[in-house]
Amino acid sequence: DAKTTQPNSMESNEEEPVHLPCNHSTISGTDYIHWYRQLPSQGPEYVIHGLTSNVNNRMASLAIAEDRKSSTLILHRATLRDAAVYYCILRGLYNQGGKLIFGQGTELSVKP
Amino acid sequence: GAGVSQSPRYKVAKRGQDVALRCDPISGHVSLFWYQQALGQGPEFLTYFQNEAQLDKSGLPSDRFFAERPEGSVSTLKIQRTQQEDSAVYLCASSLGIRVGGHYNEQFFGPGTRLTVL
Repeated sequence: DAKTTQPNSMESNEEEPVHLPCNHSTISGTDYIHWYRQLPSQGPEYVIHGLTSNVNNRMASLAIAEDRKSSTLILHRATLRDAAVYYCILRGLYNQGGKLIFGQGTELSVKP
Repeated sequence: GAGVSQSPRYKVAKRGQDVALRCDPISGHVSLFWYQQALGQGPEFLTYFQNEAQLDKSGLPSDRFFAERPEGSVSTLKIQRTQQEDSAVYLCASSLGIRVGGHYNEQFFGPGTRLTVL
């Protein structure tokens, strides 16, 4: 699976939007872009995924660049509960069983 | 509904002891994964089961690590002769294991077992 690059940490103020970037310049045409997050002392949880088009769900939005070499996870109004490590992961079409290859992720802190 | 559960939540072992970590996946989930997460790092894949078959064990760090899922539901990760470098959080995840458009659906993670080897 192709590698992703994310900033180590980001800060946000409560109730403001947050844009978490991810670079994946070696992405292949069949790689899906997934985001998981890990709250303190918990296992990771799924946030959102996409292939080419922008995606929205109740948790977040995913904006994918036209060339697919980067993407941005958007939290529209950060809450204190959104403080977590956010992982951007590429999952290949023929990935055995769909195992996840995590990087370092971005640690998001949210200030009240 | 119940999520993925893991037990024990915390385990302290003396170096050289054997440990067994249990994972109860979500009922009906075909796929089960084990990951190891060292302090300050992202989780790293250890092994993968589809029902009772262990299809990928490429991430197991040594032959001291052994995983099983004999009836295709509960899984146990066993570590023999524990070493200090085995200290980590061990995460279990399960998924339906269904491909939709060639793509696997999301994984649901348990809270992990924190193993400390003294």
